[in-house]
Amino acid sequence: DTAVSQTPKYLVTQMGNDKSIKCEQNLGHDTMYWYKQDSKKFLKIMFSYNNKELIINETVPNRFSPKSPDKAHLNLHINSLELGDSAVYFCATRLAKNIQYFGAGTRLSVL
Amino acid sequence: GDSVTQMEGPVTLSEEAFLTINCTYTATGYPSLFWYVQYPGEGLQLLLKATKADDKGSNKGFEATYRKETTSFHLEKGSVQVSDSAVYFCALSGKLQGAQKLVFGQGTRLTINP
Repeated sequence: DTAVSQTPKYLVTQMGNDKSIKCEQNLGHDTMYWYKQDSKKFLKIMFSYNNKELIINETVPNRFSPKSPDKAHLNLHINSLELGDSAVYFCATRLAKNIQYFGAGTRLSVL
Repeated sequence: GDSVTQMEGPVTLSEEAFLTINCTYTATGYPSLFWYVQYPGEGLQLLLKATKADDKGSNKGFEATYRKETTSFHLEKGSVQVSDSAVYFCALSGKLQGAQKLVFGQGTRLTINP
């Protein structure tokens, strides 16, 4: 069983479309994150949720809206996709002492 | 704010060579320090960690020592293998908006040639 699973793995879409990326974890952790990794591998935090409550919102455009229907899920919806949104998006969960577990990533390509 | 700086990559070595990837940090307080590894096509995995000064983290032949006096956490391995080829990220734990978060360095791509 994959601990942190993201779907889809690849997402190719046109500018202006709306898309969602799903994340599910079976670790029972309370805190989940979304990260964006650009083409140079730089990794930047976007959001964090704790027990379905938003606790970090790192100046991300409001076209990005995370949704946590329950503790095991943190989905990312993106409206009006732009070329600059092309990146790999990682979901992660947190155990104690800030040890985080990452999903395999979703590679988003906006054409 | 908190930050992490890693040596620029890419780094290319031959199998069995000695590896050092430098990492220095700036932080308030006493953060925990981490090395994560990202193999091709995968997410990041925790490689090792250290939670206080002079702690040494180790795993899979890799080591790093938390040096408060030089604010460093350099990653070393005595004899690298082709399977060590990956991107390595140094990170520290910090707080943002009152919540725990990781601050990552820019990553160092390592390629090991047979």
